[in-house]
Amino acid sequence: GAVVSQHPSWVICKSGTSVKIECRSLDFQATTMFWYRQFPKQSLMLMATSNEGSKATYEQGVEKDKFLINHASLTLSTLTVTSAHPEDSSFYICSASRGGSDTQYFGPGTRLTVL
Amino acid sequence: QQQVKQSPQSLIVQKGGISIINCAYENTAFDYFPWYQQFPGKGPALLIAIRPDVSEKKEGRFTISFNKSAKQFSLHIMDSQPGDSATYFCAASMRGGGNKLTFGTGTQLKVEL
Repeated sequence: GAVVSQHPSWVICKSGTSVKIECRSLDFQATTMFWYRQFPKQSLMLMATSNEGSKATYEQGVEKDKFLINHASLTLSTLTVTSAHPEDSSFYICSASRGGSDTQYFGPGTRLTVL
Repeated sequence: QQQVKQSPQSLIVQKGGISIINCAYENTAFDYFPWYQQFPGKGPALLIAIRPDVSEKKEGRFTISFNKSAKQFSLHIMDSQPGDSATYFCAASMRGGGNKLTFGTGTQLKVEL
């Protein structure tokens, strides 16, 4: 149990376009989902925390108007990178946790390349 | 105060040997300490986790040692195998902080034949 999926696994887009990444908990209800960003050979950097049905909480320095997060149901959260630029190219990873649990289960990640 | 310091940055171990990765933290409010394994191009996978009321936890070849007074914890991989070659991250979180994970900088482990 505790499987998290992401779609797409990789995406290439042109500068100025928007990209949506989906994160799904397949076999449990995720009251909280987290979005991370990881650059090559670096650690994971938390971007935002989202709770089902409420607005996401963004970490300091993360532009909420650029990285739109929606957590519409207990199994789905989406991250939309708006007006993407080459500097947004990165590995985006989501994680999910059950209510009352501090264990986070991670998705396989989405490689975003902005040309 | 939110940092988790991890060492070494990279580690080479012979097959069958013991791999040891260390982490240290400052915030005494942390109450959950997981270790994650990440292969290139994949998301992190939870290996093992410990809470401060326990000094050691073992799952298969993986053991966490926890020293609350020193604010340190470590991962031991016994009988290391080439398939263990990956990047390992320690992390810490606290219930009062929304269970947000603070990650260490990662250790790239290579197990040689």
